[in-house]
Formats: sequence, C-alpha cells, structure tokens
Amino acid sequence: SAVISQKPSRDICQRGTSLTIQCQVDSQVTMMFWYRQQPGQSLTLIATANQGSEATYESGFVIDKFPISRPNLTFSTLTVSNMSPEDSSIYLCSALLGDLADTQYFGPGTRLTVL
Amino acid sequence: QKEVEQNSGPLSVPEGAIASLNCTYSDRGSQSFFWYRQYSGKSPELIMSIYSNGDKEDGRFTAQLNKASQYVSLLIRDSQPSDSATYLCAVNMDYGQNFVFGPGTRLSVLP
Repeated sequence: SAVISQKPSRDICQRGTSLTIQCQVDSQVTMMFWYRQQPGQSLTLIATANQGSEATYESGFVIDKFPISRPNLTFSTLTVSNMSPEDSSIYLCSALLGDLADTQYFGPGTRLTVL
Repeated sequence: QKEVEQNSGPLSVPEGAIASLNCTYSDRGSQSFFWYRQYSGKSPELIMSIYSNGDKEDGRFTAQLNKASQYVSLLIRDSQPSDSATYLCAVNMDYGQNFVFGPGTRLSVLP
C-alpha cells in the first residue's frame, strides 16, 4: 500500500502566525483530503483537494483561513492562517487509494498547539 | 444530508469475548464500506473494506453488510487489550463522490 507522510509531525506556534503542513503520497492520486480532529472527537473534514482545481471546502471552513495547494498528483499543503488557540488540533491528510481508488488512507497527522 | 451513525460507546468487553460494533448509513446508493481503527494519538488505519452483502472475514475480524437494512457491523473475536481503540465506520456515498465517516465507537477490552 502507498505511504503518506506529513510534515511537521508537531509544532507549537504563537497566536497570529501561520503554519503550512505538507502532505506527500508516494503514488499519484486524484483526490486528497484534509481533516481536523480535536482530542477525543471525531474527524472533521476541512476540504477536498483535487489536482488542477480549487479545493472544495466544507461548511465552516474558508479558503482565507485554510488555504490549500495541490500542485501535482502526489503533494498537497494546508496552511492554517492567523492562528488562535482554538486552532490547536491534530490535522490529518488522506488520499483515495487502492485498486478501485475508493479507499482513504491517512498520513500520520500533525499535532498543532497554538499559544 | 448524508450520514453515518455509530454508537459512541464506550463499549467494554472482557478479554477473549466477542466485540460487536454497529453502523448505519443514510444513502441507499452507497457501494463501499470501511472499518478503521484509531489508537489514541494516532491516525486512523484501515482494518477492512466490504462491498457485497454478507460476511467478510479477516483473521479475528468479520465485517457484515446488509444493504437492505443500510447496516454494517464489525465483529472482533477473541478480543485482546490491544484491540482497545476507537473504531470508525466509513461509507463511500454518491458512487464514490462523498466519503463519510461515522463519529466512532470507543472499545475497551478489559484484561
């Protein structure tokens, strides 16, 4: 199965700054996803990122706060902008993989703490 | 709105028992169904996928699908303390255009 990596694995940031999280897949994929997960809570989809098109954001998430890039079929970035302590969370990227390209596999996650 | 529902738990079972995890979904057109396991502080990992009605077995895990009842379950036989985790049900709805996760069921296997 494909390997999905994320950088950084964790970070501590100051209020008002921005952090860009990178997600790398070792094979070409059409659809990638970005999730947020608070401790003890379920996954919350932020946006779907398809190569060659603008990301599609879920209700409650906007491009100005969470800009996403998808420059090619193996890579995506999520930026958390103008951070506040409420942005402290685990951010996960995933991709649709498998023989039918219908199965989501996840990266290891990025644990973000905003002071 | 497309939904996937699970009992939030926690579900506690003694070591060696069968753990039964249940999931219902709202979209009758759904074609593919998945169970993920998530340990605390880790990302979800795929356990099983199932596409056809009936049972699918993989080691101690059995997934069961009933499309008429819009119901999918996961049985864990001979439960071990290492099975203690949150189990997420996921459904690929809208013919692959809408991947929806349930809220997860927390399982605790007691030694």
